[in-house]
Amino acid sequence: DSGVTQTPKHLITATGQRVTLRCSPRSGDLSVYWYQQSLDQGLQFLIQYYNGEERAKGNILERFSAQQFPDLHSELNLSSLELGDSALYFCASSGGQGFAYNSPLHFGNGTRLTVT
Amino acid sequence: GIQVEQSPPDLILQEGANSTLRCNFSDSVNNLQWFHQNPWGQLINLFYIPSGTKQNGRLSATTVATERYSLLYISSSQTTDSGVYFCAAKSNFGNEKLTFGTGTRLTIIP
Repeated sequence: DSGVTQTPKHLITATGQRVTLRCSPRSGDLSVYWYQQSLDQGLQFLIQYYNGEERAKGNILERFSAQQFPDLHSELNLSSLELGDSALYFCASSGGQGFAYNSPLHFGNGTRLTVT
Repeated sequence: GIQVEQSPPDLILQEGANSTLRCNFSDSVNNLQWFHQNPWGQLINLFYIPSGTKQNGRLSATTVATERYSLLYISSSQTTDSGVYFCAAKSNFGNEKLTFGTGTRLTIIP
């Protein structure tokens, strides 16, 4: 158990809809990262938050947004969903400010999103 | 950004065999991790190893940072070792992300 909790585990929704994925980091970790894993793109970094502030941005679509709350949990919002958004969405956390600096990432079990 | 390449892409072995998975990266790194994604999709953190050698049971890993590669060794393979093994690295330079390789799919046959 990595200590990172993601909910829900599975989500099935229709095109055009909006969903929210939730992540609780490991106790004490201040950084939260979101990754998307699709069959054709592999594991792609979306966005990182550190202590409530956006720290780094990857290939995140404009239809997607995220935030980190004062209690350090994070939510990833996906809107105007398309079939191609079907993927496994992972959240990870680490103790450091950035991706590195002696701070490994620990991943949750992911949320499997299916858009029909 | 940093490039991370893994080889081989696929590996099929009999139970009990040993294996070596390789990860090459294009830049000096300050973060390198190995993960195992099991058949249920879970990403298990195996090693945090930007340099040096570590061992954990039947698994060990070595990163030679100066030559920009890392190796993951699996000894006495078990069927539960099946899955995809990912290497992920972050460059020393700039605020870059942890970049994943495309993985090695390992299948252990009983």
